[in-house]
Amino acid sequence: TQLLEQSPQFLSIQEGENLTVYCNSSSVFSSLQWYRQEPGEGPVLLVTVVTGGEVKKLKRLTFQFGDARKDSSLHITAAQPGDTGLYLCAGNTGNQFYFGTGTSLTVIP
Amino acid sequence: DAGVIQSPRHEVTEMGQEVTLRCKPISGHNSLFWYRQTMMRGLELLIYFNNNVPIDDSGMPEDRFSAKMPNASFSTLKIQPSEPRDSAVYFCASSRGPEAVYEQYFGPGTRLTVT
Repeated sequence: TQLLEQSPQFLSIQEGENLTVYCNSSSVFSSLQWYRQEPGEGPVLLVTVVTGGEVKKLKRLTFQFGDARKDSSLHITAAQPGDTGLYLCAGNTGNQFYFGTGTSLTVIP
Repeated sequence: DAGVIQSPRHEVTEMGQEVTLRCKPISGHNSLFWYRQTMMRGLELLIYFNNNVPIDDSGMPEDRFSAKMPNASFSTLKIQPSEPRDSAVYFCASSRGPEAVYEQYFGPGTRLTVT
């Protein structure tokens, strides 16, 4: 069983559309990170959220941490082909650290 | 600034052979992580060092796997003997720690194929 479940697993959309990716758990996390991984490369850190209810924006990307710190979402506005990649959430509970199952996003020009 | 450096980038070996993967973390980072990524299992944490000391090795699959960090600028992950099911991409990551220990910077990975 995976501690951090992401949905959807795969997503293919047209350029210009909006989308939301979810990261869910039954556990409470001290902090949560989102990463993007492109083919043939390592994951790249996008953001860290630490406070329940926290919202962070990174250009067209909006990240939200759930009030109870058990879940998070990533919303992309007006997706572009450059957003294509594997999106991974990751979090720590105490000294234990986990990556989510991942969402593979393809943005079609 | 140089990022995390891993070598080799690709490794093809026969079952039973010893494999050594190498990692140079970002200078000044105190924490180092080794991961394995496969399509079936995703990204799995194998072992985590803080100040060159192994903190959590619960993800190491079995005794065939071992990791060392002799100093702050170098770490190795060794598989002996290797098996086909070890085929995967192995990533090394580092972080500043402790307040940002989970904000990790990943290397480009080593793609291991065991035939």
